[in-house]
Amino acid sequence: TQLLEQSPQFLSIQEGENLTVYCNSSSVFSSLQWYRQEPGEGPVLLVTVVTGGEVKKLKRLTFQFGDARKDSSLHITAAQPGDTGLYLCAGGGGNQFYFGTGTSLTVIP
Amino acid sequence: EPEVTQTPSHQVTQMGQEVILRCVPISNHLYFYWYRQILGQKVEFLVSFYNNEISEKSEIFDDQFSVERPDGSNFTLKIRSTKLEDSAMYFCASSASGGGHQPQHFGDGTRLSIL
Repeated sequence: TQLLEQSPQFLSIQEGENLTVYCNSSSVFSSLQWYRQEPGEGPVLLVTVVTGGEVKKLKRLTFQFGDARKDSSLHITAAQPGDTGLYLCAGGGGNQFYFGTGTSLTVIP
Repeated sequence: EPEVTQTPSHQVTQMGQEVILRCVPISNHLYFYWYRQILGQKVEFLVSFYNNEISEKSEIFDDQFSVERPDGSNFTLKIRSTKLEDSAMYFCASSASGGGHQPQHFGDGTRLSIL
């Protein structure tokens, strides 16, 4: 089983602050996906990164895939209460996907 | 926007009984997946399915589990003889292609409670 560790596990910040969430593994993945999950719902895909070193931006969210394709980060600028949720990374290899341990983000108005 | 739908949203079953969880993937998708999430734990891969057969499965997916695409739209997960530790949220997902590069679209899950 390939392990994806996310840090921090819990994060509580004030509205307007910046934050970074990390997803690390000792394994190489062909792609890495970031999801957000709300309580009682399934994960919703935010982005897929495929190339080592790739950076993708989605409004205030910036995603980076590590050069070695073993790790990734999610940076949120000027966090808003609507960003509150569980952020999950998932590494793809073949047709099997390994989810990270998750980061629970709370943005306080 | 097309979405993956799962039924029922909540299933309560006695230990030892068989249970079938149902999913309708997005219509033009070719790859289908089942995941489970035990309360407070991470999402775990169970199985992927393509071209009417299992393409990969995890160690969780033992011979108590089976999947089927009985018609052109449904994708089902059967647990033959449920155990207490099968209690979890079960998520179905589908993607247009495999290999991990195409986004997976998830349903809202079925909460399975084993008594």
